[in-house]
Parts: sequence; structure tokens; C-alpha cells
Amino acid sequence: GNSVTQMEGPVTLSEEAFLTINCTYTATGYPSLFWYVQYPGEGLQLLLKATKADDKGSNKGFEATYRKETTSFHLEKGSVQVSDSAVYFCALCNQGGSEKLVFGKGMKLTVNP
Amino acid sequence: EAGVAQSPRYKIIEKRQSVAFWCNPISGHATLYWYQQILGQGPKLLIQFQNNGVVDDSQLPKDRFSAERLKGVDSTLKIQPAKLEDSAVYLCASSLGITGTEAFFGQGTRLTVV
Repeated sequence: GNSVTQMEGPVTLSEEAFLTINCTYTATGYPSLFWYVQYPGEGLQLLLKATKADDKGSNKGFEATYRKETTSFHLEKGSVQVSDSAVYFCALCNQGGSEKLVFGKGMKLTVNP
Repeated sequence: EAGVAQSPRYKIIEKRQSVAFWCNPISGHATLYWYQQILGQGPKLLIQFQNNGVVDDSQLPKDRFSAERLKGVDSTLKIQPAKLEDSAVYLCASSLGITGTEAFFGQGTRLTVV
């Protein structure tokens, strides 16, 4: 079945550090890929997405590229801020059928000033 | 645009009691999801509706959990009887149901079973 594996945290970084959160997936067909973020005390919200191979999603300085050959969708940001402290979830949605949305376990990021 | 509404926000019950959660999705969204998120884990899909039909309920513990989507709009999730391990945040989400479109989440209901 479809599944998502992402690096587990928690991770603590200093402000302006480079961030990479690894995410790999297993899926039949060609899923859409997402990164969701959960800020403290708030609900899950979409950070970025990519719907086909080689697409790059970007938002708020974060980027992720849909790599079909390595079945990966790693999240990167060149310079993190304190306000990026949150839990990050990688997710996939299989296309052309049930549109089932499957999540990874999430990674908690803390950014210190 | 109004978001996904859930109620209640918090609920504390004793084990073996019953509880119900309510969700009102974004208007026009055909797909509705219920997820269970245990502390420190990712959301686990319990049930997915497309309009008022069930698409996937393979991970719903059907001996105690039930869900329905009335007229393809609002949905309720019920637990009867509750167990200690049901303590979690229950998230409702909705989407257009079109390939590549994202799901929008409600704030969730935090359930504590004591």
C-alpha cells in the first residue's frame, strides 16, 4: 500500500541555519506529494505541494522537488527563522481513484534565536 | 471563505462511555476525511467519504467506531464504548476531491479518556 517515511526528530537548529527534512514514499501510480505544517496550538495547514515528477513546490522560503527516480520529496529551507518552529508532515495522495491522503509521522523542529 | 469547523474542541470522558464529534466541511468539498492523531505521531486515516459514500474505512475499528456523512455535507464520528487508547486528537479534513488539490483541516477535537 501507499506509505510515507520521513526523518524523525525532534530537531533543534539555530536561526539562519540550513534545514533539510527527508521524505521518501511508496505508492502505486503517480501520487501528488505534500508538506503540511502544524504550528504550536494551530491546525494542520498546507505548506507546499507537487503533483508530478520534477515539479518543485515552494512557499515561505521552503522548497521541495518531486523526485520520481528516488521516490523522494525532501523539504529544504536555506535560512530558518524562530517562527518556523513547528511540526512538519510529509504526505501523499494517490491520484485517479480514492484520493486517499496518507501522512508520515512528522518531525518537530525548534529554531532558537 | 469559511474553513472546516469541528466541535467540540475538547472532551474528557471516562472509559466505556460514548462520545460524538461533529464536522462541517468547506462548502462544495466532495471529499471528507476523519483522522486520529495520537500524541507524537502522524495523522492516521480512519475513514474517507466521497459525497455521502464511504471510500475507505479499512483502519476504522468498527467494533467501537462509527461515522456517517449526512446528505454529503456534515459528518459525525462516534466512539462507543471508549477505551483509554482512544485518547487522541480527532481531525476532520475536506477537499474538492480533484486530483492534486489539497485537503483543508479543522482545528481538531482533543479527546481524553480517563
